[in-house]
Amino acid sequence: QKEVEQNSGPLSVPEGAIASLNCTYSDRVSQSFFWYRQYSGKSPELIMSIYSNGDKEDGRFTAQLNKASQYVSLLIRDSQPSDSATYLCAVFSGSARQLTFGSGTQLTVLP
Amino acid sequence: SQTIHQWPATLVQPVGSPLSLECTVEGTSNPNLYWYRQAAGRGLQLLFYSIGIGQISSEVPQNLSASRPQDRQFILSSKTLLLSDSGFYLCAWSGGMSQDYTFGSGTRLTVV
Repeated sequence: QKEVEQNSGPLSVPEGAIASLNCTYSDRVSQSFFWYRQYSGKSPELIMSIYSNGDKEDGRFTAQLNKASQYVSLLIRDSQPSDSATYLCAVFSGSARQLTFGSGTQLTVLP
Repeated sequence: SQTIHQWPATLVQPVGSPLSLECTVEGTSNPNLYWYRQAAGRGLQLLFYSIGIGQISSEVPQNLSASRPQDRQFILSSKTLLLSDSGFYLCAWSGGMSQDYTFGSGTRLTVV
């Protein structure tokens, strides 16, 4: 069983729609949760972090965390073609004391 | 502010040749350092991590090695490259109060 799982996609949404990216994790003592965006041929960049249950909003991005369900998600409102990228979920494991990355979800926003 | 430098950006090497990729971090001390490899269209594979000078942990046995000769310098090496070593190599650092990683710009290695 993978420690951090994401749907690999590809996920396609029309411009202006809401893109929903999901991630589940197995380590119940996980403390911190991050979303990275990786454009093709580039390195991952941190776009969101969330540490407690509930929602956290930053501009068009909303991260949602449910520790009881071991589930974290990223919503992108008013999706733009420039949002087309691979989104990596990362979980800081309390036991391993390291970030564990999911394999990423490829998002394409269609103009 | 902290910055991470990684070079070269691209590299084409013949099978059997050696490899040396370098990563340096500025603006912080005693960072945790990481080497990842990403095959085309795939996720991140952790290769090595280091919590201090001379302290290297290997996650995947292979023909690669890593060294940390200075606090903010991390080097990935190979004596003999294989075709399967091709990929996008990423250095990352973490430290301080934050648990997230910051990545360098990456090295795209093609072994021919």
